[in-house]
Amino acid sequence: AQSVAQPEDQVNVAEGNPLTVKCTYSVSGNPYLFWYVQYPNRGLQFLLKYITGDNLVKGSYGFEAEFNKSQTSFHLKKPSALVSDSALYFCAVRDPTGANNLFFGTGTRLTVIP
Amino acid sequence: DVKVTQSSRYLVKRTGEKVFLECVQDMDHENMFWYRQDPGLGLRLIYFSYDVKMKEKGDIPEGYSVSREKKERFSLILESASTNQTSMYLCASRIRASNEKLFFGSGTQLSVL
Repeated sequence: AQSVAQPEDQVNVAEGNPLTVKCTYSVSGNPYLFWYVQYPNRGLQFLLKYITGDNLVKGSYGFEAEFNKSQTSFHLKKPSALVSDSALYFCAVRDPTGANNLFFGTGTRLTVIP
Repeated sequence: DVKVTQSSRYLVKRTGEKVFLECVQDMDHENMFWYRQDPGLGLRLIYFSYDVKMKEKGDIPEGYSVSREKKERFSLILESASTNQTSMYLCASRIRASNEKLFFGSGTQLSVL
């Protein structure tokens, strides 16, 4: 079975500071991992993905994420937060050997304080 | 840009009504999905479709059915709406490859009274 955990419901960070949104996963094989962002009254937008290769993945809007197999984590990071980064962030995982759909975490609300 | 359009942004229905939620995508994607989003529960998959006339149950299919008669359109049907189906419903599409990203519609906020 596949699952994903986002341990923090809410993350607050000051503008200009680095931000981290945490994600851990559980799958039986090598995972496909994704981050999506949801701005108010909008659908989800793709940020980045890890399929294979380099453990550090760069995505949209200056975000990056690091795949850590030993810790089964895929934390989202950004060196300098913007107020406009305030949104709801979802981590998602798929076990390539399992069912053909993504399993989403419960989401982390990021608030960047001016 | 890929566009996934959900027919209604807000919908209010009464208990027992039959409800249709429509989703249309314009990029010839094979795979389409219906999720519901609830606070604290994240996104949960209701149904998905690999291609026309094909459908698979997701994690919470009870009380729902779907229809995919044309490639671009994926409909979610609530046969007899209940108050516990009040939720945000999100449609998404994707090309066939499962390592590719999903494109989401803006969502339909359904309230069942």
